[in-house]
Amino acid sequence: GIQVEQSPPDLILQEGANSTLRCNFSDSVNNLQWFHQNPWGQLINLFYIPSGTKQNGRLSATTVATERYSLLYISSSQTTDSGVYFCAVHSGGGADGLTFGKGTHLIIQP
Amino acid sequence: DAGVIQSPRHEVTEMGQEVTLRCKPISGHNSLFWYRQTMMRGLELLIYFNNNVPIDDSGMPEDRFSAKMPNASFSTLKIQPSEPRDSAVYFCASSLAGTGSGGGYTFGSGTRLTVV
Repeated sequence: GIQVEQSPPDLILQEGANSTLRCNFSDSVNNLQWFHQNPWGQLINLFYIPSGTKQNGRLSATTVATERYSLLYISSSQTTDSGVYFCAVHSGGGADGLTFGKGTHLIIQP
Repeated sequence: DAGVIQSPRHEVTEMGQEVTLRCKPISGHNSLFWYRQTMMRGLELLIYFNNNVPIDDSGMPEDRFSAKMPNASFSTLKIQPSEPRDSAVYFCASSLAGTGSGGGYTFGSGTRLTVV
């Protein structure tokens, strides 16, 4: 099956800093999503982005499908951004059962 | 919209007992997914349904696990008999998706299962 690698595995930043999270995948995809799992365990969908660039407030994402990677940018970090960020992909036809990466654990310190 | 609703939020049961987890997807969504999250294995897809039909159950770990979706607004994941290694957080998610058309997932709050 498709492989998903996320980097870095852990990241500790001060409030106000910017960060870039990376997701590499081993095959072409027709579905790529970024999720945030907050410290209470809730999984929140951030972006559906199989290609191109999207922005939502302080967060933006870019997927370069031809080079098999996606980037999640967080600007002006806040403590509420802490948690685990997952990239998930689907390759091939059929309904979209996503394969998740192991995530990037982000800690924003005040 | 109340989102994806899972019940119970927490379940503690003894080894050998039957466990049933429930999920109500978002109205109008046509795909439903069951995931399991553990520290060791991360988020694993167990099974998914499209238009109430099971599409791929290759992630179901053993015959002890079964899932049903009798209608568009309800799904269950059953473990019988349960074992301590089944302890995990079980998530349900739904989306409006078709063949490769994607669509963002909405996850429920999860059921934390502990088998003692």
